Amino acid sequence: QVQLVESGGGVVQPGRSLRLSCAASGFAFNSYGMHWVRQAPGKGLEWVALIWYDGSNKYYADSVKGRFTISRDNSKNTLYLQMNSLRAEDTAVYYCARDLGWFGEGVQHWGQGTLVTVSS
Amino acid sequence: QSVLTQPPSASGTPGQRVTISCSGSSSNIGSNTVNWYQQLPGTAPKLLIYRNNQRPSGVPDRFSGSKSGASASLAISGLQSEDEADYYCAAWDDSLTGRGWVFGGGTKLTVL
Repeated sequence: QVQLVESGGGVVQPGRSLRLSCAASGFAFNSYGMHWVRQAPGKGLEWVALIWYDGSNKYYADSVKGRFTISRDNSKNTLYLQMNSLRAEDTAVYYCARDLGWFGEGVQHWGQGTLVTVSS
Repeated sequence: QSVLTQPPSASGTPGQRVTISCSGSSSNIGSNTVNWYQQLPGTAPKLLIYRNNQRPSGVPDRFSGSKSGASASLAISGLQSEDEADYYCAAWDDSLTGRGWVFGGGTKLTVL
């Protein structure tokens, strides 16, 4: 079955960087678009970024554009999120998620999430 | 302020039918399909409805989705206590400022 396991979360100071990873298994990773979605404590879901199956197209939420970079390594079945210039408002559980298809039809499967806390 | 608008709360008694609305605009729901997600307390979200009205395997047919114009709805019939959760709608948004997925603010469903 589809498994998505996030790692790399933790406590980081404002202005610093952090890289999240997501190890995927149980499906043909190189055939699906992948997303990052976050959820601040006690708040709703916020879509962060999408990358196509082959990495050729990437899309970002306005709130992270220019600071976050989504990437993937299809040879390692791994998704990444490089987060720079972190702010307190980036504090959230970050979910790695697989798309319904190859180009972005919406999130189908979700990981369990990794908590990122931005605080001095 | 979410791009898609949902009521913050809804409620019903066991066996009842409840609906949750999701209002958008021509740049999202009006021109793209809608997905719905269920998030039980303390867990990751789960896909409930995709492409407006399609159910993934394993989702009971008590859950149904519909779309009309720039609005969508999720209906839950035969309400059960286990349906108590947060529900989110989502759609692709093609606006002048950018392209990406947008979620509704979420609706907390209480089973009385």
